[in-house]
Amino acid sequence: DAKTTQPTSMDCAEGRAANLPCNHSTISGNEYVYWYRQIHSQGPQYIIHGLKNNETNEMASLIITEDRKSSTLILPHATLRDTAVYYCIVRPPRSGGSNYKLTFGKGTLLTVNP
Amino acid sequence: DAGVTQSPTHLIKTRGQQVTLRCSPKSGHDTVSWYQQALGQGPQFIFQYYEEEERQRGNFPDRFSGHQFPNYSSELNVNALLLGDSALYLCASSPFNRGLYEQYFGPGTRLTVT
Repeated sequence: DAKTTQPTSMDCAEGRAANLPCNHSTISGNEYVYWYRQIHSQGPQYIIHGLKNNETNEMASLIITEDRKSSTLILPHATLRDTAVYYCIVRPPRSGGSNYKLTFGKGTLLTVNP
Repeated sequence: DAGVTQSPTHLIKTRGQQVTLRCSPKSGHDTVSWYQQALGQGPQFIFQYYEEEERQRGNFPDRFSGHQFPNYSSELNVNALLLGDSALYLCASSPFNRGLYEQYFGPGTRLTVT
C-alpha cells in the first residue's frame, strides 16, 4: 500500500474551515484515498473516500490533486466535536477474494479551539 | 440498528495469562477485522475473518489467534501475554460483497498487562 505523509498536528478556530493535507506521492492508479478520524478513546470513524474526482458528503469534502499525489480533507465549519486524530489512508479496491486491510499512520491531531 | 459492539470494555491481565476479546459486527456485515492500537500510535492490522476463516493476517505472532462464528461474531485470543500487548484492541466490520466499503469500528477493548 502507498505510504502517506500528514502533519503531526494542526489547529483550527471553531466555525472556520479545517483543511487537512495528505501527501501520497507513490499512489498507484487503482488505489483509493480514504479518510478516517478517531475521537479520543473511541474507535476510528469513516469520513470519506475518493479515487480521482473531488467528493463531498455530509461530513466533509475531499479534494484530490490532478496528479493524485496529494489530497486535502476539508471540514467546512469545524466544531469542538471535530477535535480528533485524522488518518489519511491509501488502499486498493477489493480483489482476489480478500478485503484489503487498512494501514494507519500516526495521523494528524486536529484541535478545534473556541 | 446496533453498530459494532465489543466486550469487555476494559481488562487487566498478568504476564503469561491468556485473554479472549469478543466482537459483534454491525447488522448486515459478514467480515470482521481486528486491530491493535498502542498508545500514541495508529491502529495496526492483526487479521481479518470471513466465512469463519482467517483471510488476511498482519505482522503479529502466532500468540494472536481468532475465530469467527456462524453468526459472524468473532473472538480474538492472545496467549502468553507480554507487557507489550497492552493496547486498545479494535474490531471493525464490513460487508464482503462490496468492492469498496468503509469499515465500521467498535469502541475497543482496553487491555492492560501487568
